[in-house]
Parts: sequence; structure tokens; C-alpha cells
Amino acid sequence: QVQLVESGGGVVQPGRSLRLACAVSGFTFSGYAMHWVRQSPGKGLEWVAFISHDGGLKDYADSVKGRFTISRDNSRNSLYLQMNSLRVDDTAVYYCARGLRYLDAYYFDHWGQGTLVTVSS
Amino acid sequence: SYVLTQPPSVSGAPGQTVRITCGGYNIGDQPVHWYQKKAGQAPVLVVYDVFARPSGIPERFSGSSSENAATLTITRVEAGDEADYYCQVWHSNGDHQGFFGGGTKLTVL
Repeated sequence: QVQLVESGGGVVQPGRSLRLACAVSGFTFSGYAMHWVRQSPGKGLEWVAFISHDGGLKDYADSVKGRFTISRDNSRNSLYLQMNSLRVDDTAVYYCARGLRYLDAYYFDHWGQGTLVTVSS
Repeated sequence: SYVLTQPPSVSGAPGQTVRITCGGYNIGDQPVHWYQKKAGQAPVLVVYDVFARPSGIPERFSGSSSENAATLTITRVEAGDEADYYCQVWHSNGDHQGFFGGGTKLTVL
């Protein structure tokens, strides 16, 4: 069955960096776009980043553009999120999600359980 | 940026029908998707492409759309439906970005 398992979360000081990973199994990873979505404590879901199936197309929410970088290694069935210049308001549970495409629009049909990132001094 | 507006909360007794709306500019022209989110759990897709249901999602969950709002309808509400519900759209005009509504807390009375 489809499985997505995030790792790499933890406590980090403002201004520092952290790299999240998402290991997937149960489907042909190289055939699907992937996304990161986050949920800050007490707040709603926020889409963070997208990468196409082959890594050729990427995009980011305005709140993380220029600080976060999404990447993937199709040979390792893994998705990554490099987070630099972290801010307190980046504190959230980060989910990786598989993207399905309909009419040039994506939705998310499978999600991991999430990894908690806490940015605090 | 694109704003999707949901009511903060809705409620209903077991067996009743509840409706959760999602408003946005020209939302009737876009595929809208809905997720159920329970505390401590991953989100679950319950409706996609306005009214389609993934396998395993009960027929009690349905979606619809009009010019100015998309709606998630849950019939015969059960205690297990108590959760936060989020609508979502995707934009690919220049940027490629996803947008979620602010979420609606469903309380089963």
C-alpha cells in the first residue's frame, strides 16, 4: 500500500537550517508530483512547495520562497525539503503528500503522518 | 495570492445533514477538493474535483459548486465525522501554487 514517512524534524534556533525527508513506498515514485504541506499549532493547513515528477518544475508558497528548497531523488524514492533561515512562524507539522493532477490542477490523495519542526531560541 | 473563505465552525446532531461552504473569486470555474483533518492524524481526501469521492469514502460525503462557492455536504452525520474540514484549489497561471481555506470545525452535538 502507499506509504509516506517523513523524518528530520526537531527543535532549531531561528536563522538556522533543517532538512526534512520523506521516504515513499507502494507506488512508482517517479511518476508523481510531490508536495509539502504544513500546519502550524492551532492553525490551518498551508501548502508549502511542489515538485514535478521529474524534478524539472518546482514552486513555493510566497511565505517560504527564497528560503526553502524542494528536491527529490527518484532512485531513492525520496523527497526532501531544505529549510534555511528558519523563523519562529515556520514552526509546524510538515507533511509530504502525493499529488494527482486534474485539468492542470493538483490535489493530494496520500499523506504522511508528518514531522514536527519547532523553531525557538 | 488567493483567498478561500470557510466558516470557522458548523454543528449538527447525529443523523442530520451539515453543509460546509468554501468561497473564493471565480471558484465555480475551478476544481475544488476537500480534506478531513482530525487532531494528531494526517489529512484525508474526502472529495476531489468538486464532487468525486475516493475509494473508501462513504457516500454520505458529497461535493457541489456554484459560481461563488463550493460546498461539502455530509448527510447522516456521525460522531466519527467530527473533525476540521479544508477546501483546496490549485493555480497554474504563471506560478504553480496550492491554496487551502482556513478550515471549518465540525462539531457533532
